Amino acid sequence: EAQVTQNPRYLITVTGKKLTVTCSQNMNHEYMSWYRQDPGLGLRQIYYSMNVEVTDKGDVPEGYKVSRKEKRNFPLILESPSPNQTSLYFCASIGQMGAFFGQGTRLTVV
Amino acid sequence: AQRVTQPEKLLSVFKGAPVELKCNYSYSGSPELFWYVQYSRQRLQLLLRHISRESIKGFTADLNKGETSFHLKKPFAQEEDSAMYYCALGNTYKYIFGTGTRLKVLA
Repeated sequence: EAQVTQNPRYLITVTGKKLTVTCSQNMNHEYMSWYRQDPGLGLRQIYYSMNVEVTDKGDVPEGYKVSRKEKRNFPLILESPSPNQTSLYFCASIGQMGAFFGQGTRLTVV
Repeated sequence: AQRVTQPEKLLSVFKGAPVELKCNYSYSGSPELFWYVQYSRQRLQLLLRHISRESIKGFTADLNKGETSFHLKKPFAQEEDSAMYYCALGNTYKYIFGTGTRLKVLA
């Protein structure tokens, strides 16, 4: 079964404490992407990756990092989280049939 | 500039009534357009691709290049259609989403 798996589903952390949200796909897609979803703003792209070791900024990359060491994994890293990064995050794996999304990670930064 | 506009934040209709969720886009070239649906507390799921011209769950969408629109339609709304709907314009790696329309189907 085609899957995009994100972990954790929920995370509460404190300002400045580094965290990583993992994303894994089993569809052998080259393209993966991270979005944040905020009320009234829809989904905004944070970073994307076109293949292993190839990543680029989306529309709202500030405060985030990513890596793509293997095709299946695309973790999102917040080196020093701040309260304005409180949001719902989605990872997507993108193929010919469209984008497949993870189940989302609800992050709260206090 | 590439853009997707969904003018309605909320659309309420009665069960059995027709539904039209509006989507307009701005794109130089041949767009690939999608509709995604997000049910409460669930991930986004692909509903329709304009290329496939399928009808999924009774929904259809026609790409109108002259009006740069890709409106989502259903002739008779069901309560289980209540969800958040996102129109998206995409190429292989960059998807641009609209701000979404929440559809509420009232009993």
